[in-house]
Amino acid sequence: GNSVTQMEGPVTLSEEAFLTINCTYTATGYPSLFWYVQYPGEGLQLLLKATKADDKGSNKGFEATYRKETTSFHLEKGSVQVSDSAVYFCALSDSVGAQKLVFGQGTRLTINP
Amino acid sequence: SAVISQKPSRDICQRGTSLTIQCQVDSQVTMMFWYRQQPGQSLTLIATANQGSEATYESGFVIDKFPISRPNLTFSTLTVSNMSPEDSSIYLCSVIGAGNTEAFFGQGTRLTVV
Repeated sequence: GNSVTQMEGPVTLSEEAFLTINCTYTATGYPSLFWYVQYPGEGLQLLLKATKADDKGSNKGFEATYRKETTSFHLEKGSVQVSDSAVYFCALSDSVGAQKLVFGQGTRLTINP
Repeated sequence: SAVISQKPSRDICQRGTSLTIQCQVDSQVTMMFWYRQQPGQSLTLIATANQGSEATYESGFVIDKFPISRPNLTFSTLTVSNMSPEDSSIYLCSVIGAGNTEAFFGQGTRLTVV
């Protein structure tokens, strides 16, 4: 079945550092890929998405590119801020839309000033 | 976007009892889902709540343990039955927004079974 593997956390960085959180997936067909973020005390929010190969999703300075050849969807940000501290989840849907998501295990990110 | 209200936000329950979690959405939605997030683990889909018919359960989840109702397009309930400490988790309601491109999540219900 479909699965998502995320970089293990927790990850701790200093402000303005470069961030990469790795995400690889196993799926049949052509899944849609998502990054969700959960800030402290809040619910899950969609951060960005990509629905086909080579698509790049971006939001709030974060980017991720759908790489079919490596089955990856790594999350990157050039300069992190303290406010980026949160738990990040990579997810896939085996349909064009966002139905029945399969999540990775989540990566807790802490940014120190 | 869709705003989801989940109740209760947390509860501590005795083993052997049942808890019903409510999910209210501020607009009509076609698809609603229930997820479980066990401590330190990822989210796992429990079932799809179907309006007017029985829910569709994922492998490992059964109706007797997790009965679901969906009487209309804005409301659903999940019951965790005959609870044991292993049921201690966060339970989340999710809906698909217009255009079927984004899933929205409630704040979750943190359940502790003692």
